[in-house]
Amino acid sequence: QSVLTQPPSVSGAPGQRVTISCTGSSSNIGAGYDVHWYQQLPGTAPKLLIYGISNRPSGVPDRFSGSKSGTSASLAITGLQAEDEAAYYCQSYDDSLNGVVFGGGTKLTVL
Amino acid sequence: QVQLVQSGAEVKKPGASVKVSCKASGYTFTSYGISWVRQAPGQGLEWMGWISAYNGNTNYAQKLQGRVTMTTDTSTSTAYMDLRSLRSDDTAVYYCARGTNFGPVDYWGQGTLVTVSS
Repeated sequence: QSVLTQPPSVSGAPGQRVTISCTGSSSNIGAGYDVHWYQQLPGTAPKLLIYGISNRPSGVPDRFSGSKSGTSASLAITGLQAEDEAAYYCQSYDDSLNGVVFGGGTKLTVL
Repeated sequence: QVQLVQSGAEVKKPGASVKVSCKASGYTFTSYGISWVRQAPGQGLEWMGWISAYNGNTNYAQKLQGRVTMTTDTSTSTAYMDLRSLRSDDTAVYYCARGTNFGPVDYWGQGTLVTVSS
């Protein structure tokens, strides 16, 4: 049971927009800690996709965007492409655990 | 370019210990910390802890307190993760990654598969 809750799977057709939610609590996202997102392609190490809620590292397309509201955060992907098919994880910090926490991950399928 | 190169796969028996290394290059090692994250087969990411390469301060996941030790060798820009009293559910790919205690990790090692089996 992850501290941050993500849907196990989402799907969308090429060109469509999908969102992935990350629900936390008052001891992590709600406490004001930043949320970061990672993309993990099969068989590879995770890659930083979004940091500090909505910032993209160099090289990450602007099709990817992040937002936060209250105790939840979201990752939006527009103009879905086949290569976006991957697992996506959110990450934050938790006061109660005094440590970093990850969401359980969401598998994105491009139909 | 920034690179984190980890040691090779390990097979261990229950109760044994494993030490995974992570050699950094392409940046000033002491300017960042190293986080360790593991991923059991078919499962999600689990944060294990973080060490400052500047002063050796550590922050371990509560679940692993007492079984894990993270160290760094600044002379070789290498970080180490030592996990003791291994159990079958410690079987996972172990990743090192560059970052701060609270913040994101921006570069990852290639991963080291640790298999615990009798």
